[in-house]
Amino acid sequence: AQSVTQLGSHVSVSEGALVLLRCNYSSSVPPYLFWYVQYPNQGLQLLLKYTTGATLVKGINGFEAEFKKSETSFHLTKPSAHMSDAAEYFCAVSDRYSSASKIIFGSGTRLSIRP
Amino acid sequence: KAGVTQTPRYLIKTRGQQVTLSCSPISGHRSVSWYQQTPGQGLQFLFEYFSETQRNKGNFPGRFSGRQFSNSRSEMNVSTLELGDSALYLCASSLVVAGEQFFGPGTRLTVL
Repeated sequence: AQSVTQLGSHVSVSEGALVLLRCNYSSSVPPYLFWYVQYPNQGLQLLLKYTTGATLVKGINGFEAEFKKSETSFHLTKPSAHMSDAAEYFCAVSDRYSSASKIIFGSGTRLSIRP
Repeated sequence: KAGVTQTPRYLIKTRGQQVTLSCSPISGHRSVSWYQQTPGQGLQFLFEYFSETQRNKGNFPGRFSGRQFSNSRSEMNVSTLELGDSALYLCASSLVVAGEQFFGPGTRLTVL
């Protein structure tokens, strides 16, 4: 069965600093991996996804993530944080190869940006 | 394409009542999933429907139920509401089971 662990329920960085949100997964088959962002009182919006191919994935708003199979990780990064990046971020893993496929979400990381 | 729509956006009920929430997926999407989001428990999966059949179910009591219609629209029902059912209920649609999820804005349910 798949699982997702997001390290750190709350991350705070200064404006202009590097953003690093950690996600580790477990899956018995090659996974599909996703990062979503949620702004207050809104639904979740897809930031980026990994399905197959290039392991470095670029998403919207300057975010990117790298799929590292050996480390079972899919960490989200952004070189320079903006105030508008303050939101909650969710990592998710999907096992699309099973007859009982399901998508599993992590517990979320709240990102705060200090002026 | 229009996104996922959910109605109503806000709802206030009292304990013991029942409630029905509605979700219209993106055109062409046949999978609809429901999630409950609370500050304490985070994002929890309720169930997923595909072509009118429930494909997956989370760990929720039988008071929570759902269905999907032939046009892929979905409803979820919560009977005998409890205070703890107060939450943001999110609906998501996708092309395939467990595929990329496209979320609606959610229905904020408050149980008094």
